[in-house]
Amino acid sequence: AQSVTQPDIHITVSEGASLELRCNYSYGATPYLFWYVQSPGQGLQLLLKYFSGDTLVQGIKGFEAEFKRSQSSFNLRKPSVHWSDAAEYFCAVNTGFQKLVFGTGTRLLVSP
Amino acid sequence: DTAVSQTPKYLVTQMGNDKSIKCEQNLGHDTMYWYKQDSKKFLKIMFSYNNKELIINETVPNRFSPKSPDKAHLNLHINSLELGDSAVYFCASTPGASGGMNTGELFFGEGSRLTVL
Repeated sequence: AQSVTQPDIHITVSEGASLELRCNYSYGATPYLFWYVQSPGQGLQLLLKYFSGDTLVQGIKGFEAEFKRSQSSFNLRKPSVHWSDAAEYFCAVNTGFQKLVFGTGTRLLVSP
Repeated sequence: DTAVSQTPKYLVTQMGNDKSIKCEQNLGHDTMYWYKQDSKKFLKIMFSYNNKELIINETVPNRFSPKSPDKAHLNLHINSLELGDSAVYFCASTPGASGGMNTGELFFGEGSRLTVL
């Protein structure tokens, strides 16, 4: 079955430091992959997506992610974290049939 | 303009009651969803409708009944509420398979927090 694993439940990063959030997927074909962000009390907002082509994709708010087929990974990165980036981050895979399966999320905490 | 809107945003009720959550999208999308987010933030799909037709029903108790009067609306009715139903319920929409490739990108509402006492 298709699945998404986010191995880190929470991560703390100092403001201004770089960030990498891990995501591994299990899917037989070429996946459609997504990263969403959820601020407290809010819905989910799309950060970026990968469908095909260039394996390094750029998103909003200075985020990027790299698709690595050999590692079944789609890690999210940001070179310099801002305090406003503190939120819950979800990786997701489109399993076909118009269904997104989400990972369990990684909570990002930003320290001063 | 709110693209996907849900009402109410907060709902507190007693066990055994029946309640409804409404969702509307003004994006012209064909497909709408209900997701449940539990206290650990895990998001699980419940239902999906495409042009008013049910296409996904994920082993949800039959106390939950979705209704789609038209493709812009998807409501969720819950009978005989239980403590375990307490969660945040998210409505979402996507353009759908008709009219081109569907990539599965979802547009979410802000959620409806249901608390059952």
